[in-house]
Amino acid sequence: SQQGEEDPQALSIQEGENATMNCSYKTSINNLQWYRQNSGRGLVHLILIRSNEREKHSGRLRVTLDTSKKSSSLLITASRAADTASYFCATEIRNTDKLIFGTGTRLQVFP
Amino acid sequence: SAVISQKPSRDICQRGTSLTIQCQVDSQVTMMFWYRQQPGQSLTLIATANQGSEATYESGFVIDKFPISRPNLTFSTLTVSNMSPEDSSIYLCSATDRTGELFFGEGSRLTVL
Repeated sequence: SQQGEEDPQALSIQEGENATMNCSYKTSINNLQWYRQNSGRGLVHLILIRSNEREKHSGRLRVTLDTSKKSSSLLITASRAADTASYFCATEIRNTDKLIFGTGTRLQVFP
Repeated sequence: SAVISQKPSRDICQRGTSLTIQCQVDSQVTMMFWYRQQPGQSLTLIATANQGSEATYESGFVIDKFPISRPNLTFSTLTVSNMSPEDSSIYLCSATDRTGELFFGEGSRLTVL
């Protein structure tokens, strides 16, 4: 079963613009992670934010977490055509080691 | 970070046959999992591969259909049994290290005719 719902399902922007993707989840978590998947390829881990953290940065990525609203957002600043991919949030369920994935956002960045 | 190798990377199978996918990790990891990703969809957790004991299956997945082995800390297999076209999917092996980060193999793309 899927824990996370992401929106938008698809996002198209121009190079240089920022891209924001949102993730909502249902149960208590240990942490929330964001992954990227290029078409037909495996997943690449982008960033992990723990349940006691509110914001985290990594390069052009900024992740926020609001546990009271059970939601997270991923911001990609100054997007590039190479950022075109599907992005998934995944939540590690509290008191388990299981990672449950959201529905994903397909990002298209036009040069 | 762990490097995960899966084989086969892809296969075309006949209805009613079974296929075993192998997953090898290059370092000792704490947990290993198997996911399925149907075309255009997100990842669905099939089961947690437990070392030396029966796997823990998620709702909707059963051992008879998806037998899993994990004889040691770095190796696991997933068998897709009695395949039907609905089993056409990408099957992904994953593992966590002590930080909790989940690493993925490149996946095994199965097409069932």
